Amino acid sequence: DAKTTQPPSMDCAEGRAANLPCNHSTISGNEYVYWYRQIHSQGPQYIIHGLKNNETNEMASLIITEDRKSSTLILPHATLRDTAVYYCIVRVLTGGGNKLTFGTGTQLKVEL
Amino acid sequence: ETGVTQSPTHLIKTRGQQVTLRCSSQSGHNTVSWYQQALGQGPQFIFQYYREEENGRGNFPPRFSGLQFPNYSSELNVNALELDDSALYLCASSPGAGSPYEQYFGPGTRLTVT
Repeated sequence: DAKTTQPPSMDCAEGRAANLPCNHSTISGNEYVYWYRQIHSQGPQYIIHGLKNNETNEMASLIITEDRKSSTLILPHATLRDTAVYYCIVRVLTGGGNKLTFGTGTQLKVEL
Repeated sequence: ETGVTQSPTHLIKTRGQQVTLRCSSQSGHNTVSWYQQALGQGPQFIFQYYREEENGRGNFPPRFSGLQFPNYSSELNVNALELDDSALYLCASSPGAGSPYEQYFGPGTRLTVT
């Protein structure tokens, strides 16, 4: 299984863009990059995923490097409610199914 | 459309006892995965059920078992509870078992073993 490396913590000023990096240098060609976040005492929340191309949705943008060895999650205008642990995950297959392998994530703190 | 729900919210058990946790999947989802999250750690995959069959298992002992019902709701059973089983147990449902279906998580059940 490909592993991911994320900084343990980051700070961001409210209203500014939050750029969360993730390294996944051993990713395989058919593995997707997923991002989830977990606000304190809640279940993880899906944010976005991608394979090769950059992706954008109403929550965030995902930028994947051409060699796919790293990616960046961008929250364009961070708010206090975006304070959470952000997990970068490479999707694996287990038998006929799949599992999410979570690391320890990045604790993002958005401040005034 | 209701999301993923779990019961109970909190539970306290004694070492050696057995516990059953319940999960109702999101409408239209046929796949349920269970995760264990110890304090300060990321969630760890326990197993997944797809259409009532176990469809993948993580590195957990056999005393962790599960069921999925025809309505796709699910149970997690843990026998012979140990102190290290104290954790947040998360259930996630998805509309299919294969990538790239995203998983939608419930709020979790906080289990404390004393």
